[in-house]
Amino acid sequence: NAGVTQTPKFRVLKTGQSMTLLCAQDMNHEYMYWYRQDPGMGLRLIHYSVGEGTTAKGEVPDGYNVSRLKKQNFLLGLESAAPSQTSVYFCASTAALSTEAFFGQGTRLTVV
Amino acid sequence: DQQVKQNSPSLSVQEGRISILNCDYTNSMFDYFLWYKKYPAEGPTFLISISSIKDKNEDGRFTVFLNKSAKHLSLHIVPSQPGDSAVYFCAASEIHNDMRFGAGTRLTVKP
Repeated sequence: NAGVTQTPKFRVLKTGQSMTLLCAQDMNHEYMYWYRQDPGMGLRLIHYSVGEGTTAKGEVPDGYNVSRLKKQNFLLGLESAAPSQTSVYFCASTAALSTEAFFGQGTRLTVV
Repeated sequence: DQQVKQNSPSLSVQEGRISILNCDYTNSMFDYFLWYKKYPAEGPTFLISISSIKDKNEDGRFTVFLNKSAKHLSLHIVPSQPGDSAVYFCAASEIHNDMRFGAGTRLTVKP
């Protein structure tokens, strides 16, 4: 019973490097989200998707891109990492018209 | 501009007593409100929710109260248990696909 799985769990990047975070869910959920968590800021929505092939910007989308090529996967890309992107990233999914989100374990990213 | 605010970063209560966590919001268009619980090194997990047409929702030891005129909601935990020690996030949603979170309150329940 995996639920929402994020890979990798930890990563250290140098400024300017690129990387992709993968989120996979096995609950056949329509909606998927990427959040970042920073001290004193709570969880802030980066991008979200309401279905395969569709994405939308959240509160803090700058510096990130996403893709939802398959219903079960939602990818978050950093094209040129910056120290300000050091954070813990959470992926979540919900069924359509549901308010209950299921979260992954998080990815701790450090940009040096 | 934070639309959902949790002004108390931490709360400490004695086991068996009531824990009250508070949350304020600014967007009057929010129509669903939720509480999530988060343990260290884990993702948040859904705890309880309430829609804007209600003012109270109960689930076992957890009760959420909504005061729309004051744009305020609270989570009551009675009785509090040491296993309840975690960070609690308040969240609100205007539409089902755009959920905003508060900064969280760290609850410590002392034995």
